[in-house]
Amino acid sequence: GQQVMQIPQYQHVQEGEDFTTYCNSSTTLSNIQWYKQRPGGHPVFLIQLVKSGEVKKQKRLTFQFGEAKKNSSLHITATQTTDVGTYFCAGSGNYGQNFVFGPGTRLSVLP
Amino acid sequence: GAVVSQHPSWVICKSGTSVKIECRSLDFQATTMFWYRQFPKQSLMLMATSNEGSKATYEQGVEKDKFLINHASLTLSTLTVTSAHPEDSSFYICSAKASGSAKQYFGPGTRLTVL
Repeated sequence: GQQVMQIPQYQHVQEGEDFTTYCNSSTTLSNIQWYKQRPGGHPVFLIQLVKSGEVKKQKRLTFQFGEAKKNSSLHITATQTTDVGTYFCAGSGNYGQNFVFGPGTRLSVLP
Repeated sequence: GAVVSQHPSWVICKSGTSVKIECRSLDFQATTMFWYRQFPKQSLMLMATSNEGSKATYEQGVEKDKFLINHASLTLSTLTVTSAHPEDSSFYICSAKASGSAKQYFGPGTRLTVL
């Protein structure tokens, strides 16, 4: 079945440094979503990417969908302590399957 | 944005008892609700997909007789953990999505502890 992996598992950065998490799927995706879960909280939808090679920006966050629609990345520029949390990608296959969540990347930002 | 609530937020029960968790979409009609389980510092594991008015679809390895799901209306789905055991202790999160939308809105989760 479809598998979604993320790297790194953990990332510790100094405030102001950049951060990137990568998401890879074993199969071609129809679309991919990104979620953020703060410590003790629930996942919150960030964005959905649909088109091959798509790039979307939300303030300091840049999301990219690979050309082959099998990978994606989330890049945060100049991290802040408010960026702390676990970032999950979730991919859906080409046949209307439910989204499969990656294991997440836990980001720590040191002030 | 859309709001999804869960009740209770936490529950402690004795082994062998049953626990019901409610998931409600407060300001939109959720044609589909999902139930996830999340262990500490791990990802979300989809347990089942619930469509209003029909039987839930369970993921492989999830016992449908143990985790009873009912989606009686467009705003309410319930998960009942029957004859709970300590290994059922976990964080259960529901999400809901409206018809035609792929975006999932997550509830705050329910922490279940079985003694």
